Amino acid sequence: AQSVTQPDIHITVSEGASLELRCNYSYGATPYLFWYVQSPGQGLQLLLKYFSGDTLVQGIKGFEAEFKRSQSSFNLRKPSVHWSDAAEYFCAVGAANNDMRFGAGTRLTVKP
Amino acid sequence: DAGVTQSPTHLIKTRGQQVTLRCSPKSGHDTVSWYQQALGQGPQFIFQYYEEEERQRGNFPDRFSGHQFPNYSSELNVNALLLGDSALYLCASSSGTGVLGGYTFGSGTRLTVV
Repeated sequence: AQSVTQPDIHITVSEGASLELRCNYSYGATPYLFWYVQSPGQGLQLLLKYFSGDTLVQGIKGFEAEFKRSQSSFNLRKPSVHWSDAAEYFCAVGAANNDMRFGAGTRLTVKP
Repeated sequence: DAGVTQSPTHLIKTRGQQVTLRCSPKSGHDTVSWYQQALGQGPQFIFQYYEEEERQRGNFPDRFSGHQFPNYSSELNVNALLLGDSALYLCASSSGTGVLGGYTFGSGTRLTVV
């Protein structure tokens, strides 16, 4: 079965600084990878997804992620963080005929 | 176009009771997946319903059961509630059983067991 590891439980960055959230996955076949964001007490909003093709994918709100098969990673990046980006971020992996499995999440705090 | 609707938004139950949570999928979606998200943790997959049958199941006890109706809406039932069942329960709908159709999540039902 597929699994996801998000090594960083909590990250703090200053507003305007760059951001990278780490995600490592385990899956025997080609994975389908996702990043979701969750504000307190809310559901999950899809930021971006990778199915195939270009390994650098662009998402909403200025986020991007890069798929690196050799490192089993799918890290999320943003060049300049805004205070409104403070939230919980989840990486997820799925398969064509399988369900989606999530990591434990990374909580992002943005300092003014 | 309505997204995924879950009801109720919050509820409080006593240990040992039974609870039913409801989910209406996004228009055009025919598959419903349920997740449990404990405080400070990532969502854990409970099960998935497609064509009114349970197609996949995560590592949850039989106390957790579900149903899907002909209009694709779904219910999650939890019997003999434990304190540890307190969590945010998320419903996601999709087209087909895999992830290629994209998952759309509802805002969840916050269950508190006292």
